Amino acid sequence: LAKTTQPISMDSYEGQEVNITCSHNNIATNDYITWYQQFPSQGPRFIIQGYKTKVTNEVASLFIPADRKSSTLSLPRVSLSDTAVYYCLVGDMNTGFQKLVFGTGTRLLVSP
Amino acid sequence: DAGVIQSPRHEVTEMGQEVTLRCKPISGHNSLFWYRQTMMRGLELLIYFNNNVPIDDSGMPEDRFSAKMPNASFSTLKIQPSEPRDSAVYFCASSLAGPQETQYFGPGTRLLVL
Repeated sequence: LAKTTQPISMDSYEGQEVNITCSHNNIATNDYITWYQQFPSQGPRFIIQGYKTKVTNEVASLFIPADRKSSTLSLPRVSLSDTAVYYCLVGDMNTGFQKLVFGTGTRLLVSP
Repeated sequence: DAGVIQSPRHEVTEMGQEVTLRCKPISGHNSLFWYRQTMMRGLELLIYFNNNVPIDDSGMPEDRFSAKMPNASFSTLKIQPSEPRDSAVYFCASSLAGPQETQYFGPGTRLLVL
């Protein structure tokens, strides 16, 4: 399993762009990168997934450099409601049965 | 769709008692996951099923924990006997097919063992 490393916590203010970087130096060829978001007292929910370059949806963007050894989740113009824990995971989409490891994630605190 | 349903939402019990947590996955999903979350260890996968068959139970902490999935719409996680260190939030999640597909989490069961 590819191990991921991400900051334990980050602070930001409303309206700012937040970038959370995740390191996954031993990512395998077939591994995809997935990010989940967890609000207090709720279960995690899927945000975005990508394999290479850039992926964008209505919530966030995911930037993946050519070597794929890291990825950056970008949240544009955060609001107080973006305060949550963000998890970076890598896993093989093709085998289907390799478990994902959530770990402790990055705790983002957005202040007024 | 009602999403993943878990019961009870909260459970307080005394050490040594049996605890049973229940989960109903999203209809049509073939994979079901049980996670445990604590401040110290984060979110840990305990076990997951595919088509009602346990695929990976390497995260089950010890023999006191057991999980079953008798049919596609129901699963239980049982702790017997319970201990204070089992206190945590237990999440159930389901996906269409396997861990790599988007996992949809239930609201969790907050367990406190006194």
